[in-house]
Order: sequence, then structure tokens, then C-alpha cells
Amino acid sequence: DSGVTQTPKHLITATGQRVTLRCSPRSGDLSVYWYQQSLDQGLQFLIQYYNGEERAKGNILERFSAQQFPDLHSELNLSSLELGDSALYFCASSVGIGVPGLTIYEQYFGPGTRLTVT
Amino acid sequence: EDKVVQSPLSLVVHEGDTVTLNCSYEVTNFRSLLWYKQEKKAPTFLFMLTSSGIEKKSGRLSSILDKKELFSILNITATQTGDSAVYLCAVMYSGGGADGLTFGKGTHLIIQP
Repeated sequence: DSGVTQTPKHLITATGQRVTLRCSPRSGDLSVYWYQQSLDQGLQFLIQYYNGEERAKGNILERFSAQQFPDLHSELNLSSLELGDSALYFCASSVGIGVPGLTIYEQYFGPGTRLTVT
Repeated sequence: EDKVVQSPLSLVVHEGDTVTLNCSYEVTNFRSLLWYKQEKKAPTFLFMLTSSGIEKKSGRLSSILDKKELFSILNITATQTGDSAVYLCAVMYSGGGADGLTFGKGTHLIIQP
């Protein structure tokens, strides 16, 4: 158990709908990362938040958005869902953001939310 | 474009064998290379490598990074069926004051009894 929690565990919804995935980081961790894992694309980095602010963006679609709240939990919002959005969505957390050349923080992954779009 | 390539994609060996998994990368502003083990759930952290030539060990697993040739290897000795998993290599890079992370597609390791 990494200490990172994600809800829900499974989600089945229809195309065109909108869903919200929730993540609570490990106690004391300020940085939250979102990833998408599908069979054909592998694990893809989506977005990172640090202490409430967006800090890095990866391969995140415009239909997707995220935010980190003052209590440090984060939500990933997926809208206008398509069949291809079916995947496992992971959240990870780390202590800090890292300062280039000085500090590097390892990430701990939550159990994931499996999204099925029908 | 940043990329991380793992080989082989899949590997089947007998219990007790030694395996070597490879990860090569091309990223700008490299910071560290990470190895994860993923079974039927979330990836679990194995190693973080930042310096070239320094081996990291944890039990039967070890890993080393070559920053000149841009690759890393993960060795598993005396393999056990519990080592069966997908092993993911990821490279952390810095850009715009934050870290990004690019994953390889993984090596699917199957250990047969």
C-alpha cells in the first residue's frame, strides 16, 4: 500500500459523458501526478500539480482537466468521453517538486481507476 | 521528441535463471532514470538512478546507469515465479521549473516454474 488513494476503483460510462476521478496523495506529499495507461499507448504522463498549482503538462487532451485543492487532493475531469478514453488512470504523489540539479523526488502510485467507456 | 525504449518487449525464462532488461533513452535535460515493477495493479518503485556507473542493489535485483551511452540495465538473478511482472523504465527530465516523466512500454517478464 503506497498511501495514495484513488476513487472510484472502477467506472463504466457512456460516450459523451463526463466523469471525475479523485486522488488523495500520501500524507505530507505536495505534488500530484496523473497518468493514463492503455494497452496500446502504455503509461502516459498527463499533468502535474504542486501545492495547488499546475506545474507540468504531458499528453493531456483539451477535453481533460485537473485541479489540486487546498487540502492537496486532486481531481481529474474527463469530458465528452470517447471509446478511446477507456484506460487505467493512475495518480502518483511525491514529497516535492524537485529543484533541477538539486533534488529529485520519487513518486508513489495509487491503485488506479479503471474507466470503461461504452 | 523524448523517448524511452525498452527491450526485450517480452521474456520467458525458467525459475533460477538470470535476466537482464534493457532501457535506452533520448531526453533533453535528463535528471534521473527510474525502474518500476507492475503486476496486476499500480507500478511499485524499484530504483532511482541519477549517477553513471554506480550500481544499486536490492536483494536479487540490481541496476546501473550509463549516462554516456544513454542506457540502463536491470538485472534479476535466481529468478522466482513472483518476479513475473511488467518492468517499466521511466526517465525524469526537467523543463520549465518542473519535472516530467516519460515511460517506456515495458518488458513483460514471465518466470516459468
